[in-house]
Amino acid sequence: QQKVQQSPESLIVPEGGMASLNCTFSDRNSQYFWWYRQHSGEGPKALMSIFSNGDKKEGRFTAHLNKASLHVSLHIKDSQPSDSALYFCAVSKGTQVVGQLTFGRGTRLQVYA
Amino acid sequence: GALVYQYPRRTICKSGTSMRMECQAVGFQATSVAWYRQSPQKTFELIALSTVNSAIKYEQNFTQEKFPISHPNLSFSSMTVLNAYLEDRGLYLCGARDEGSERLFFGHGTKLSVL
Repeated sequence: QQKVQQSPESLIVPEGGMASLNCTFSDRNSQYFWWYRQHSGEGPKALMSIFSNGDKKEGRFTAHLNKASLHVSLHIKDSQPSDSALYFCAVSKGTQVVGQLTFGRGTRLQVYA
Repeated sequence: GALVYQYPRRTICKSGTSMRMECQAVGFQATSVAWYRQSPQKTFELIALSTVNSAIKYEQNFTQEKFPISHPNLSFSSMTVLNAYLEDRGLYLCGARDEGSERLFFGHGTKLSVL
C-alpha cells in the first residue's frame, strides 16, 4: 500500500524567504504527483502537478521530482503571509482512477511579516 | 472556472442519527467523484470512488451500508453518514474530476460534529 510521508511537519519562514517542503513515497509505480494547499476552513486546492523527473516552475512555486529516489519537493520563493496554509503532497498511479490519490499528512507553513 | 460546492458547510448531529451531504460541480462535468474524510489530525482517508455509469467502489473500512452514495448525473453527488458516532467526526470532502482534466477539484467540505 502506498505510503506518502511529508517533512517537516511545520515550517516557519520570514516574508520574502524560501520555503522548502519535502515528500517521499513508497510505490515505485507512482506516476503523478500533486501539491495541494489548504487554508483554514477550506477544502484543499491543487497548486501544481509534476509528472516527469526534474523541475517544474509556476510563478513563485517550483516542484522537483526524482522518481528514482522516491522524492518530490515544493519550493516557494519570496514567501508571502498569504502562503500560510497546510500543504499536502498527493501521489497517484494514474489520472484515470481519481481514487488512487494518496495524501501525505501535510506540512503546516507559516510565513511571518 | 471549475468549482465544487459542498453543503452544508457544518453540521452537528446526535449520536446514532444520520446526516446527508451534497456536492455540486459547476463549470465542468464531474465524471468521477471521490469522497474523502479528513480527520481532526488532518489525515485523509478515501471513503469511496464514484464514476458515472459504473459501480461505486468503497475502500476498506467503509461500506455502502454506512456511507451510501448517489451520483445520478455529471454535476451532482451526495453521501449520507448513517448512524453517526464520535469516530465519524471529521471534514468530509468531495473531490470531483472532469474526464478531460488531470486535476481533482475539492469543495470546502462538510464538517461533521457528533454529540
